[in-house]
Amino acid sequence: DTGVSQDPRHKITKRGQNVTFRCDPISEHNRLYWYRQTLGQGPEFLTYFQNEAQLEKSRLLSDRFSAERPKGSFSTLEIQRTEQGDSAMYLCASSLYGTSPSSYNEQFFGPGTRLTVL
Amino acid sequence: AQTVTQSQPEMSVQEAETVTLSCTYDTSESNYYLFWYKQPPSRQMILVIRQEAYKQQNATENRFSVNFQKAAKSFSLKISDSQLGDTAMYFCAFMEYGNKLVFGAGTILRVKS
Repeated sequence: DTGVSQDPRHKITKRGQNVTFRCDPISEHNRLYWYRQTLGQGPEFLTYFQNEAQLEKSRLLSDRFSAERPKGSFSTLEIQRTEQGDSAMYLCASSLYGTSPSSYNEQFFGPGTRLTVL
Repeated sequence: AQTVTQSQPEMSVQEAETVTLSCTYDTSESNYYLFWYKQPPSRQMILVIRQEAYKQQNATENRFSVNFQKAAKSFSLKISDSQLGDTAMYFCAFMEYGNKLVFGAGTILRVKS
């Protein structure tokens, strides 16, 4: 088990371009989360999946953002028509969510993808 | 909505000394988890310690311990015998059961030799 991986680690793009990030969770984990972290701030929740189902989306996730987890394994986050305000670190985390309502849901984070929009 | 507040943007401590990072939160829930995460410079976020709200006993992990005051909605982190490797951004975070994390803005901790 090599932990959560994200690709690419860095992405520089011009305003108006589309970008796509990939996250590979820990293999047996059924939940996958996306967060966004701007400089000097804490991560903010964007969306999460349980298996292939997208269960919640933040209001931060405008219609230019789309996330998928087609086979319940890796996930992609696409940003269309990027804006300078999209510049941030995009973090992925995964967890093994149990059936008990009180089950602990430790989230393991990847190294992040740093996006710079010029 | 839950909120998490870290009122100390930066802290510094001498090596081998003790430091306490503060965190307050707001929620109407009675069952939840609280966490402290560490994010070293250019490295990924790792969990330092967690506290279940239904447990009165404060969590401890080696040199790290918390002071959890549920009525006051306060959750501070104490680092004893500070080491240079403790230099990092520390985030306090809240989670309802099985749900997303809500983070504070973070506290930069610098350990000086």
